[in-house]
Amino acid sequence: QQPVQSPQAVILREGEDAVINCSSSKALYSVHWYRQKHGEAPVFLMILLKGGEQKGHEKISASFNEKKQQSSLYLTASQLSYSGTYFCGTEGGGADGLTFGKGTHLIIQP
Amino acid sequence: KAGVTQTPRYLIKTRGQQVTLSCSPISGHRSVSWYQQTPGQGLQFLFEYFSETQRNKGNFPGRFSGRQFSNSRSEMNVSTLELGDSALYLCASRSTTVNTEAFFGQGTRLTVV
Repeated sequence: QQPVQSPQAVILREGEDAVINCSSSKALYSVHWYRQKHGEAPVFLMILLKGGEQKGHEKISASFNEKKQQSSLYLTASQLSYSGTYFCGTEGGGADGLTFGKGTHLIIQP
Repeated sequence: KAGVTQTPRYLIKTRGQQVTLSCSPISGHRSVSWYQQTPGQGLQFLFEYFSETQRNKGNFPGRFSGRQFSNSRSEMNVSTLELGDSALYLCASRSTTVNTEAFFGQGTRLTVV
């Protein structure tokens, strides 16, 4: 079952912050975040493992609340290069592999 | 090291035909997953192979099948193609089956006419 992402799309000005949410109806072992630019393959951003650890580097970070089966991706002081579609992927230890949401389209304007 | 290689990059097929797509994972990676990407649907999981065994399967009809060889290369087959099968098919390579990052190939763009 696909995790649910919100919002579906967001438009920001350069320098503004964004939060992308991901929720699942099943218990999760891990949450992945990927970014895909138009015409390119998705690229790994980070993985959060069971334990609620917040990870990140520089201006992109994420949190994982395993009790609520939710994760959030935080983009601080967004740059033009952050534009793209963000996907969260979840693993629940069942037979459904690494399952992705429908994505969040992020547009950063100058 | 070389990334994930998918061939061919583009395919045009006619309804009713069958098609085989290929994926060569990163050297040393034993897990290969396949995804169908269409506008508005995100990345839909097809199946995952690990050491030549199908470990996981998504909710797709039996027309979609796959296999993995001893060198970890994987193929995906779609039989009796339908117009709705037109999509970008991505494969992802991982060193193990869980809790590791996935490396995606550039995909195969399949158009069914």
